[in-house]
Amino acid sequence: AQSVTQLDSQVPVFEEAPVELRCNYSSSVSVYLFWYVQYPNQGLQLLLKYLSGSTLVKGINGFEAEFNKSQTSFHLRKPSVHISDTAEYFCAVQGYTPLVFGKGTRLSVIA
Amino acid sequence: GAGVSQTPSNKVTEKGKYVELRCDPISGHTALYWYRQSLGQGPEFLIYFQGTGAADDSGLPNDRFFAVRPEGSVSTLKIQRTERGDSAVYLCASSSDRPLTKNTGELFFGEGSRLTVL
Repeated sequence: AQSVTQLDSQVPVFEEAPVELRCNYSSSVSVYLFWYVQYPNQGLQLLLKYLSGSTLVKGINGFEAEFNKSQTSFHLRKPSVHISDTAEYFCAVQGYTPLVFGKGTRLSVIA
Repeated sequence: GAGVSQTPSNKVTEKGKYVELRCDPISGHTALYWYRQSLGQGPEFLIYFQGTGAADDSGLPNDRFFAVRPEGSVSTLKIQRTERGDSAVYLCASSSDRPLTKNTGELFFGEGSRLTVL
């Protein structure tokens, strides 16, 4: 079975500052990793995914994430956030079962 | 439509009542998923359909929950004898790929149906 731990439930950050949202996973098999974003009153949408190859993956809206197998982590980063990045971010893992999600991190960007 | 459509968007019911939640996936998507998202939690897997059959229903919490997808498109999640603990947002997602073969497909989510049991 797979599990996901998002270490921070809430992250406040000032506009134009960098941000890192942390995600660790546990699995007995190799996995694919995802970050989804949920804007207020909207459905979940895919930010980026790691399948194989380069451990640094780039997604939409300037986000990127780095897969670290030895640390079983998949942290999400953005060098400069905007007010519009305020949302809930979910890390998810897929092995041989449907996607398993973390509890989410609420990113609040302060003007 | 272009995306996954879920109805109703909001449902308020009384404890003990029966509820149906509907999901209309993206046209042509063979895989359909139901997740439940409680307040302050991430989405929790309930059931997954490949075509008309439930390929994995291991996430259904008990026998009060049931889902169907009779023609391989629209799906209905049915909850009998609702309890206050069933209050949550029920999310539906669809995909063009087969997840149990470790597919790389993206899940496309609807906006959810918010269920409140009084």
